[in-house]
Amino acid sequence: QSALTQPPSASGSPGQSVTISCTGTSSDVGGYNYVSWYQQHPGKAPRLLIYGVSKRPSGVPDRFSGSKSGNTASLTVSGLQAEDEADYYCSSYGGSNNWVFGGGTKLTVL
Amino acid sequence: QVQLVESGGGVVQPGGSLRLSCAASGFTFSSHGIHWVRQAPGKGLEWVAFVGYDGSNKFYDDSVKGRFTVSRDNSKNTVYLQMNSLRAEDTAVYYCAKVQSGSPYYMDVWGKGTTVTVSS
Repeated sequence: QSALTQPPSASGSPGQSVTISCTGTSSDVGGYNYVSWYQQHPGKAPRLLIYGVSKRPSGVPDRFSGSKSGNTASLTVSGLQAEDEADYYCSSYGGSNNWVFGGGTKLTVL
Repeated sequence: QVQLVESGGGVVQPGGSLRLSCAASGFTFSSHGIHWVRQAPGKGLEWVAFVGYDGSNKFYDDSVKGRFTVSRDNSKNTVYLQMNSLRAEDTAVYYCAKVQSGSPYYMDVWGKGTTVTVSS
């Protein structure tokens, strides 16, 4: 199972919006609505941000939103804040009882 | 509160073995599957293995299949990852993560990780 493809970096100024893409195949992202996104600050454990393509766990600000079109999922962070600066990973169920992550995107708040 | 604590990491020579533990608290452990995910130094997340709530379902990434074994002891609220025939490329921080209630597809609580270094 190959890793999902994410841009290595993204950036935006405070208050702006930024979208991070996550491209897979019809065997993972395109084949299931089991896409999730995780936020990881340096030296910390990942945190679940989005599940089921677009659902937010309790406690996650509504500035974070997810979507999917075909084999590509996207995470949008609106109203960027300094604390949003972190690494972001997408993940998808890959069928055949395995899971796959994206390579990660480093988000910089300018 | 819901908590997962990994332990058992360390330095091991190539070809050696290590057993990681993931101790859980704050939730009904026997109702939730657990994933193991690793992160090599400076790299991204990589799924390693999954064990179902009762231990009957166990799944592995191809890169560790035949070398790693996941198990759980619900009487001790603990999941284990037995790692044999370790290679340099297994060097990573290993996280355990519980699945979200009702779904094995998402990891909603993670431990802080334990570091495994495979080196001679």
